[in-house]
This record gives sequence, structure tokens and C-alpha cells, in this order.
Amino acid sequence: GQQVMQIPQYQHVQEGEDFTTYCNSSTTLSNIQWYKQRPGGHPVFLIQLVKSGEVKKQKRLTFQFGEAKKNSSLHITATQTTDVGTYFCAGGHTGTASKLTFGTGTRLQVTL
Amino acid sequence: GAVVSQHPSWVICKSGTSVKIECRSLDFQATTMFWYRQFPKQSLMLMATSNEGSKATYEQGVEKDKFLINHASLTLSTLTVTSAHPEDSSFYICSATPSLNTGELFFGEGSRLTVL
Repeated sequence: GQQVMQIPQYQHVQEGEDFTTYCNSSTTLSNIQWYKQRPGGHPVFLIQLVKSGEVKKQKRLTFQFGEAKKNSSLHITATQTTDVGTYFCAGGHTGTASKLTFGTGTRLQVTL
Repeated sequence: GAVVSQHPSWVICKSGTSVKIECRSLDFQATTMFWYRQFPKQSLMLMATSNEGSKATYEQGVEKDKFLINHASLTLSTLTVTSAHPEDSSFYICSATPSLNTGELFFGEGSRLTVL
């Protein structure tokens, strides 16, 4: 079956350092979405990428979709304590855009 | 953004009893809703796709007689965990989208089930 892996599983950074999480799918995706889940909370949508090689930015967050549409990355510049949480990528396939396969997640801890 | 509400947030029950969890889309209609299960510090595992007016589609390995899903209206889906056992203890989350084409999912707050 489809598998979506993320690395690292966990990262602890000091505030101000950069952070990157990588997402790899075993199959080609039609789109990839990213979600953030705060401790004790529910996932919140961050962004969707659809095009091969697409790069999108949201303030300090940069999202990239690979050329082969099988991998993606999320980079946070100058992390803040508010960035704490688990970041999930989620892959969609043609015809089932809303039926997503979630990645294994990367838990980010930021300390002062 | 769209709002999805889940109830109850917490539930504790005795082994052998059944528990119903509700998922409502508050400001949009959802012909399709999704039910996930999440163990501590793990990812979201899709359990089933709930379809308004028809039977749910279950993922491989998910017992449909154990996890009953009913989607009787365009704004409400329910998940009933029947004859719950301690291994059913988990965080159950629903999601829905105003547009199946765009794919962005809006999640409920989640329901934490503890079976004693």
C-alpha cells in the first residue's frame, strides 16, 4: 500500500535556528498537503502543493514539492516557540483528492 | 475557514459498552467525511470514508461491525465503537471538506476514548 515517510521523527532546536522536515511517498502523488498539530490539538491545514517543482512561502515557512511529485519538504526559518508541534505531510492521489495518506510526522520542539 | 465540531471531547467507558462520537460540519455541507484514529505520538490512520446517504467505505483491516458509521445528513456523521475494549482506547478525529476538488481538510477537535 501507499506509504508516506517523514524524517526526522523528532527535532529539538533552539529558538532562532532553522528547521526542515522531509516527506517521501512510495507512490507518485497528485498533490501534497501539510498540516500542523499542536500538542493535545487537532491537525490544522497549512498549505497544498499541486505542481511538480512547486515552491510556496508563508512568512517563515517554505514548502516545496519535488519534480517527480513523490517528495516534499517544509523549511522553517528562524524558529519560534510558537512553531512547536507535529508537522504532517499528507499525499493525495488523482480522483481521491480528499482521501489523504498522512506521513509519519515530525515533532518539533523549540526552546529558548 | 470551515468549522468541524466533534463531540464528546473525552469519554471514558467500561469494557463491553458502546460509545458514539459525533462529527458535525457547522457552516458547510459535507457529502463526505473521514474518520481517523491516532495513537499517542503517531500519525493519523484513516479508518473509513463516510458517505452521506450510503454505506461507509472502510480501510483494509478496519472492522466495519466494530466501528459503525452513519452519515444520515449533510452535516452529521457518527462513529459508534461497539463493545469497546481497552485496545480501542485512542484519539478519534473526523474531518470534512466543503470541496472534494480542492482537498483541504478541516478537522474536528478529536475525541479521546478511554476504555477501562
